[in-house]
Amino acid sequence: DTGVSQDPRHKITKRGQNVTFRCDPISEHNRLYWYRQTLGQGPEFLTYFQNEAQLEKSRLLSDRFSAERPKGSFSTLEIQRTEQGDSAMYLCASSPRDSGRAYEQYFGPGTRLTVT
Amino acid sequence: RKEVEQDPGPFNVPEGATVAFNCTYSNSASQSFFWYRQDCRKEPKLLMSVYSSGNEDGRFTAQLNRASQYISLLIRDSKLSDSATYLCAVSAGSARQLTFGSGTQLTVLP
Repeated sequence: DTGVSQDPRHKITKRGQNVTFRCDPISEHNRLYWYRQTLGQGPEFLTYFQNEAQLEKSRLLSDRFSAERPKGSFSTLEIQRTEQGDSAMYLCASSPRDSGRAYEQYFGPGTRLTVT
Repeated sequence: RKEVEQDPGPFNVPEGATVAFNCTYSNSASQSFFWYRQDCRKEPKLLMSVYSSGNEDGRFTAQLNRASQYISLLIRDSKLSDSATYLCAVSAGSARQLTFGSGTQLTVLP
């Protein structure tokens, strides 16, 4: 399967714990995005990487959130001191280098986080 | 006002019907437009990019009206398997991050 992959698919954690999610984009895609989706809403943008550089961050990304893409391949999203309001689906998407495809983004299966 | 607005539905239509969804966006600088399909508890899957000239893919037709700032999706001869939530998305800026509507729920009935 050459699509976007994410790990883990589900995570249950207690409030106050730290969690880390991983995203492996489609191999030839240099643009990588993180989104968060809650029930009944569309995904909301969190952050964007072009290769290894984090070029855009949403105001939704509080100080407890950090993301990396160290070698321009896979990316991690860490949430420190989780809160119940962090419970959501965390989606990763990647987009090809060729802008002729209108910057189409392809999503991974997501990591569903539940904070108890 | 939300940046991207959709009628949440639900739309309940019989098999074989034609159904149309509209989506309005507020950022006149938006550059790219998309329709995604999302099944329950799954990720959004790209259905179509929407171009200024409109585009068609089988039973699906998408249109863009930049002057009125809306995009539309028409599904002809709907199938049971078309039941899903349809999300419109627009992108702007150098990062081209997507701004999504809340989605329109479609149920196709036998």
